[in-house]
Amino acid sequence: KAGVTQTPRYLIKTRGQQVTLSCSPISGHRSVSWYQQTPGQGLQFLFEYFSETQRNKGNFPGRFSGRQFSNSRSEMNVSTLELGDSALYLCASSFGTPLPDTQYFGPGTRLTVL
Amino acid sequence: AQSVTQLDSQVPVFEEAPVELRCNYSSSVSVYLFWYVQYPNQGLQLLLKYLSGSTLVESINGFEAEFNKSQTSFHLRKPSVHISDTAEYFCAGMGNAGGTSYGKLTFGQGTILTVHP
Repeated sequence: KAGVTQTPRYLIKTRGQQVTLSCSPISGHRSVSWYQQTPGQGLQFLFEYFSETQRNKGNFPGRFSGRQFSNSRSEMNVSTLELGDSALYLCASSFGTPLPDTQYFGPGTRLTVL
Repeated sequence: AQSVTQLDSQVPVFEEAPVELRCNYSSSVSVYLFWYVQYPNQGLQLLLKYLSGSTLVESINGFEAEFNKSQTSFHLRKPSVHISDTAEYFCAGMGNAGGTSYGKLTFGQGTILTVHP
């Protein structure tokens, strides 16, 4: 079974631009969660989508948004990029059952904002 | 609110020595606990998990962790480490309160394990 895939793996953008990252979950998984990883703040939860609906959201500004498609693939968008948005963005997929289950992570997208 | 604390930011050990990476959690609801490992420039790989049942959980590569409710701990141990175990290790927890718990792992700050020859 193929793992979680993320595209692109690397991105370089300039301040003020916007960016879209993509995540394809493991087949059969309906939940996708997104995380931001930085040296200073560690791993922080951005949001979670299940069946095209955002079920949970972390404490990030509105510039960070996401969506999920009917095939469970998910995208996250960051508008008006700031230098501090430079990070590794990880997505994780799971079945999304009411009880917590295991999340499986993709390789991440490394975003650099210049 | 749930929080996860990893007590050591770096742990250096020699090859074939035992190691313990410490993790404490705090929560007012039932928790589900995980250990993930991250190699340089890669995503997170699941090492082991505690969802319910036996408090001692094992992974296929020799690591084990014990869920201790009274001490609110979930320390990771390995009796004999290899050079290839050098990586960053993350302890994470998830509550089951629905709503604010859906799909949300709360991570510790990570422990860098360096195995020296």
